[in-house]
Amino acid sequence: DAGITQSPRHKVTETGTPVTLRCHQTENHRYMYWYRQDPGHGLRLIHYSYGVKDTDKGEVSDGYSVSRSKTEDFLLTLESATSSQTSVYFCASRQQGATEAFFGQGTRLTVV
Amino acid sequence: AQKITQTQPGMFVQEKEAVTLDCTYDTSDQSYGLFWYKQPSSGEMIFLIYQGSYDEQNATEGRYSLNFQKARKSANLVISASQLGDSAMYFCAMNPESNRLAFGKGNQVVVIP
Repeated sequence: DAGITQSPRHKVTETGTPVTLRCHQTENHRYMYWYRQDPGHGLRLIHYSYGVKDTDKGEVSDGYSVSRSKTEDFLLTLESATSSQTSVYFCASRQQGATEAFFGQGTRLTVV
Repeated sequence: AQKITQTQPGMFVQEKEAVTLDCTYDTSDQSYGLFWYKQPSSGEMIFLIYQGSYDEQNATEGRYSLNFQKARKSANLVISASQLGDSAMYFCAMNPESNRLAFGKGNQVVVIP
């Protein structure tokens, strides 16, 4: 299995605080993705990256920013967390032309 | 932006029976890929099967097959001989030319003994 890990796995934070989630992959995959999963909405794309320092917005990018300074790391930042950002966050990575995207284990974020 | 539609409500299927999960997509790209993933109650995302838009044969992986109808823009997943362990949420996804991989809302499947 591809090595892709998310940290932390669980986090509780207060409204208004900044939060950074980390996704780390060891497969030298070009593409990386951040999704959020909420009941009834499936997986919605927040941001994705197509290379170092190359990122683009997904369908639910408001309130989130990302950075990719190295191939292996893709960071998701909530600048000022809100209760509506309580969710399960998944990171994924994929190589160019690959027939499978590999997922991290997910991060459960609760904003109180 | 591409759109992936999975509209079936929760499905109950008898053990050893086959089940078909519907997925339609909308894209103007000529080249794209279609994926199905399984998410059991434990939460991990498990890759099941892939179909490329130029593949002439329908993809198969063990008990999973993908019924690809390009003109209708549908990519239905067929699970044959259902097992109790197939109870899960199933997601259809599409990767367009932009590589902006997007998912549908999912189908819940419950296998009954």
